[in-house]
Parts: sequence; structure tokens; C-alpha cells
Amino acid sequence: EVQLEESGGGLVQPGGSLRLSCAASGFDFNDFAMHWVRQRPGKGLEWVSGVSWNSGGLGYADSVKGRFTISRDRVRKSLYLQMNNLRHEDMALYYCAKSDSSAWSRGSFDMWGQGTMVTVSS
Amino acid sequence: QSVLTQPPSVSGTPGQRVTISCSGSASNIGNNDVSWYQQFPGKAPKLLIYKSHERPSGVPDRFSGSKSGTSGSLAISGLRSEDEADYYCAAWDDNVQVFGGGTQLTVL
Repeated sequence: EVQLEESGGGLVQPGGSLRLSCAASGFDFNDFAMHWVRQRPGKGLEWVSGVSWNSGGLGYADSVKGRFTISRDRVRKSLYLQMNNLRHEDMALYYCAKSDSSAWSRGSFDMWGQGTMVTVSS
Repeated sequence: QSVLTQPPSVSGTPGQRVTISCSGSASNIGNNDVSWYQQFPGKAPKLLIYKSHERPSGVPDRFSGSKSGTSGSLAISGLRSEDEADYYCAAWDDNVQVFGGGTQLTVL
């Protein structure tokens, strides 16, 4: 069974940092691009970042560029999102999503985790 | 304001056919495929349609997708109460995945 399990969310002050993790199982993690998608409370979906199967390519939404860093570990079969200089507007439920493509800028998201909540508040 | 435009809400009665539109531009839907996601309250999104009209295994054939020019469309036939959810369209746009604002489907 394909599973994605996010962790690392929590309460952080504005300007603080947080590292999200996503543990993958049930599929060949090293064959597919992976993404982070967030959803602010009561709002729609917003793509945050994506990384190709071999970490050779990656991309970010303009709203997080320069502050967030996506990475993946092929041995641990895990996806990460390092979030620095967090702002109130970053407060959201962060989903890890598997792509059906090996390239980060193509394809659809065919499997999603349950999400981890990031709260930014002083 | 979302790059892709969807109606905020649609409704229908059981057994009816409803469609949800997704309007974009040449840089997104005009040059790329459309995906559709279904999301129930408190749950993660689920892929419903990929490559504009393909259904993942397990998705009923009551759900169908199409694309024409810079617009995509999701049709749900034989509407059921369990179809009541939020629906999002998505497409790639200059190396950014953009989503529609979402459409809330109500089954009356």
C-alpha cells in the first residue's frame, strides 16, 4: 500500500524555522518526483515546491523562494522541507504528494499524505 | 486570486449530470494537461483525472474530464450524495503548478 506520512509541523514564531519530513512506503520512492502542497485554513490548494526523482531538478513557488528548501533522501525514502524565516501567511496544512512523473515540473499528484499543520504565531 | 478560474459552487440532484469548468490561459491549460482533485472536509485531496481526461484505477467512470483550448472541464454523471466535496483543477504553468480556487459541489 502506498503511504506518505508527514511530520515536523508545529507552532513557531514569525521569523522562526521548521523542518518537515515525509516518509514514503509502498512504492519505489527513487523513481518519482515529489512535492509539497499547502492549504491555509478554509482555503484552496497551493503548490509549494517539487523535486525530481534524482534531486537533479527542483522548483519553488515565488511565495517561498529563498526561504524554503526541498530535499530528498533516497536511502531513507524521505522528502523534506526546510522552512526558514516563517511568516504568518505560511500557516497552513502541508501535504506531501507523490508525482506520477520522474520530472518535478510535469505530471499529476497521484498520492497524498494526510498533512502536517504549521502554525506561525507569536 | 487563483491563476485557474473555477466557479465557487455548483449543485445538482441525485442522478443528474453536473460540470465544473476551469478557465486558464495559453501558458497553463493551453500548453499543458489538466488534473482534477477531489477533497472531502478534513481529508487529503485525491487524484480524480490526469492528462486532462484519464482516470486513475478505482475512479468511477461517472467522472470524466475534457480540455479545449485554454479551458478544462470535469463532468460528473449519475450524481450521488457521496460526490459532495470540493473539486480542484490544476495545471503546470512555466514550471509552477497552479490550482483553481476550488468548487464546492452540493448534492441537493
